[in-house]
Amino acid sequence: AAGVIQSPRHLIKEKRETATLKCYPIPRHDTVYWYQQGPGQDPQFLISFYEKMQSDKGSIPDRFSAQQFSDYHSELNMSSLELGDSALYFCASSLTGINEKLFFGSGTQLSVL
Amino acid sequence: QKEVEQNSGPLSVPEGAIASLNCTYSDRGSQSFFWYRQYSGKSPELIMFIYSNGDKEDGRFTAQLNKASQYVSLLIRDSQPSDSATYLCAVKGSSNTGKLIFGQGTTLQVKP
Repeated sequence: AAGVIQSPRHLIKEKRETATLKCYPIPRHDTVYWYQQGPGQDPQFLISFYEKMQSDKGSIPDRFSAQQFSDYHSELNMSSLELGDSALYFCASSLTGINEKLFFGSGTQLSVL
Repeated sequence: QKEVEQNSGPLSVPEGAIASLNCTYSDRGSQSFFWYRQYSGKSPELIMFIYSNGDKEDGRFTAQLNKASQYVSLLIRDSQPSDSATYLCAVKGSSNTGKLIFGQGTTLQVKP
């Protein structure tokens, strides 16, 4: 079965650079979520999109932005990177419903040097 | 107070024993509850979900939910060394956006 696909798998950037993370949800899933997980931390919700519109916003810095495109893939854009942005970034997708389940991609490991 | 709380552990059990993982949540309007397993550096993998009070069994896993006590647990029977991982409790709150709020995870170690 198709899963959530994220790219790149690893990304190394320097401070003040920009990064773009991509996410391709499971086919027919209409909602995409972005989470950030620091070392030894639980996943923190950043932002979500339903049918290409932002549906919820969590603890996402103003330096970050995201969007969902017509083919339902999503991109997380991160600018003015800081050392503290180093983390695993997960994308998850779901099909809207009463008891919808989130399925996660393999994540992007971002290292800011 | 975190919205979803777990004992971070580590919880150590011998192979073949029952591992019991616990989770409490603060939002009384929460509707859906999930357990994810996460190996180091890997993505969370959904292993159980429960929506109604009571027990739900799937193979070696049993999820238990008590909404009155705002408590959800996961039992793993016949624990295997391959079960050694971090178990994340996740709760879908009363908002309609579908996002999950995670606990900090409990690290389980199953010793051969």
